[in-house]
Amino acid sequence: GEEVAQTPKHLVRGEGQKAKLYCAPIKGHSYVFWYQQVLKNEFKFLISFQNENVFDETGMPKERFSAKCLPNSPCSLEIQATKLEDSAVYFCASSQSGNRDGPYGYTFGSGTRLTVV
Amino acid sequence: AQTVTQSQPEMSVQEAETVTLSCTYDTSESDYYLFWYKQPPSRQMILVIRQEAYKQQNATENRFSVNFQKAAKSFSLKISDSQLGDAAMYFCAYRSAYNNDMRFGAGTRLTVKP
Repeated sequence: GEEVAQTPKHLVRGEGQKAKLYCAPIKGHSYVFWYQQVLKNEFKFLISFQNENVFDETGMPKERFSAKCLPNSPCSLEIQATKLEDSAVYFCASSQSGNRDGPYGYTFGSGTRLTVV
Repeated sequence: AQTVTQSQPEMSVQEAETVTLSCTYDTSESDYYLFWYKQPPSRQMILVIRQEAYKQQNATENRFSVNFQKAAKSFSLKISDSQLGDAAMYFCAYRSAYNNDMRFGAGTRLTVKP
C-alpha cells in the first residue's frame, strides 16, 4: 500500500507489562525507522532497518527495547517491563534509500500512543 | 553527530501575512538533505518541503519556500499568505546521504490568527 500502517493506534499498559507495536512499511521501501515523540514534542531516534537488517540502533535503550523487521511480516517494536517514562507516541517511517533520483523524505505512519499507568 | 536547532519554540502570524521559521544545523558531511515537516494536532507528520544540499536553488512549493544558506548551515522556512490550516508544529529535519538517518529539531509551534 501507499501508507505506513501502524497498529494499534492506542495502547495502555500497566507499569512492568510488555508492549508491542507494529508497523507495515510501504511496499518497496527498504528503510524503516522508529522514533519516540514525548509530550515535549521532541523526536528521539530509536532504530533503523535496511530491509531486515538493523542499520542503526544507537538510540535504543537496549535493556528493555527490541525491534525486528522480518520478511513478509510487519516490523515490530517491543518494550519489556514498561516504565512510566515510556509513555509517548511512537512513530514508524519508511523510505527508499536517499539517492539523487528517488524520494528522500520519510513517509510516516500515524503513530501509536503508548500510555503506561 | 548532526544536530538540528530550531530557536523559536513558538511563532504567531496574522492570516494572509508571511512568517519565517528558523532552523540551523551542524554537520561535517558534504552531502545531505533538509526537510520541513508539519505536524497538526492529528499528529500525522506531513512533508512540506525538501532541499538537496548540492542544489543552490532554494526549493519552493506553492506558498512555502526555503532560504537555504549552506555556508551558514541555515535552512529557514517562509510561509506566504498564511492560512488558518497552516497552524501546526513545524519540524526541521536533516537527513544524511551516507546513513539515511534523519534528525529533527525541537519544533516550532505556529499559531495563525484570524
